Amino acid sequence: EVQLVESGGGLAKPGGSLRLSCAASGFTFSNAWMSWVRQAPGKGLEWVGHIRSKNHGGTTVYAAPVTGRFTISRDDSKKTVYLQMNSLKSDDTAVYYCTTEVTTRINALEVVSRGYSDDWGQGTLVIVSS
Amino acid sequence: QSVLTQPPSVSAAPGQKVTISCSGSSSNIEKNYVSWYQQLPGTAPQLLIYDNNKRPSGIPDRFSGSKSGTSATLGITGLQTGDEADYYCGTWDSSLSAVVFGGGTKLTVL
Repeated sequence: EVQLVESGGGLAKPGGSLRLSCAASGFTFSNAWMSWVRQAPGKGLEWVGHIRSKNHGGTTVYAAPVTGRFTISRDDSKKTVYLQMNSLKSDDTAVYYCTTEVTTRINALEVVSRGYSDDWGQGTLVIVSS
Repeated sequence: QSVLTQPPSVSAAPGQKVTISCSGSSSNIEKNYVSWYQQLPGTAPQLLIYDNNKRPSGIPDRFSGSKSGTSATLGITGLQTGDEADYYCGTWDSSLSAVVFGGGTKLTVL
């Protein structure tokens, strides 16, 4: 059974930092593209970004609102993905979900996101307030 | 402002059918697969439909998806009170190089 367990949420001040962790089990983590999706209180879903598996380059892509402030990384030996959040703003207040993002191979060299997540964690709440 | 457009709310009686629309553009829905998620109150989203019209195992066939051009539709038949939830559409946007979602639709089963 796939399990994704987020931790590290809490209260941070504007301009501050926070690091979220997501511990994974029940699947081959090293082969998975992992993403973070957030949901502000009473609002809809917003994709934060993803990190590819190492065999697909291990590179990251971010949504515009967090580019330059947030960093996604992974430790395959610990089956854990991280979200480092810097220069936090009140707009970053949200529940942050860790997900497994599904991919598709489009040719011999290129694998791309299929645009959906099949497994989600329970989420961790981040509040940015002075 | 979400990239994909959904109606804020829909409602129908138990046993009836409801559809939820999701409108996008040539850079997202028209080019890529659409997915749908159900979010019950106080819980994480759950994948309901992927690749436009496929259901993960365990999702009843009362739920269906379709896509045409730049729009997609989620259909739910035989409505139950347990279907009351928020529903989100999502897809990859090739111009933004990002996953994009609709703003969500709240389903009320009267």
